Amino acid sequence: DAGVIQSPRHEVTEMGQEVTLRCKPISGHNSLFWYRQTMMRGLELLIYFNNNVPIDDSGMPEDRFSAKMPNASFSTLKIQPSEPRDSAVYFCASSLWTSFGANVLTFGAGSRLTVL
Amino acid sequence: DAKTTQPPSMDCAEGRAANLPCNHSTISGNEYVYWYRQIHSQGPQYIIHGLKNNETNEMASLIITEDRKSSTLILPHATLRDTAVYYCIATGGGKLIFGQGTELSVKP
Repeated sequence: DAGVIQSPRHEVTEMGQEVTLRCKPISGHNSLFWYRQTMMRGLELLIYFNNNVPIDDSGMPEDRFSAKMPNASFSTLKIQPSEPRDSAVYFCASSLWTSFGANVLTFGAGSRLTVL
Repeated sequence: DAKTTQPPSMDCAEGRAANLPCNHSTISGNEYVYWYRQIHSQGPQYIIHGLKNNETNEMASLIITEDRKSSTLILPHATLRDTAVYYCIATGGGKLIFGQGTELSVKP
């Protein structure tokens, strides 16, 4: 298995531009997570999906952020418009989770976003 | 989710066992203890998890106290490549919240 695949690995954009980050989870996994990591705030959970349905988006910082999971093999995190404070590494993770068992996440390599 | 407390940093000599503690005194009966690590600039990597019993896999051992209020991750023979930030998480739900972790430095 190729693992969790994220793209792009690096993105540099200017303030005000739209940014779309993409994630392909591990085949057969039913849960998908988006995290953001900065030096100041550490690793923050933004949103997670179960069976393609958003379960908890309480970590999404504001309306400029949106996430979708149109099918079991693809998810996007969009920032519109982007701001310099959005600069961070964004990680996607997936897992095969049932409510009665452990939830073991596999992380992607991350997308490093720089907003100028 | 139970709050976890870890020391911010630890050192370990190469070849020796690294014992990383975690306090989760408010853990409830259905909450698992998970350990992940993050090597610089990489995505977090799953190490091990447990509910009540001690667990061992090819990477590490997890020792959970009988009252489940604390646990220790043991890397039996630490190498330089084990230098990383180690996160302890206690949760029974779907979402894993990462704290600040312990920065382990393995020294030659």
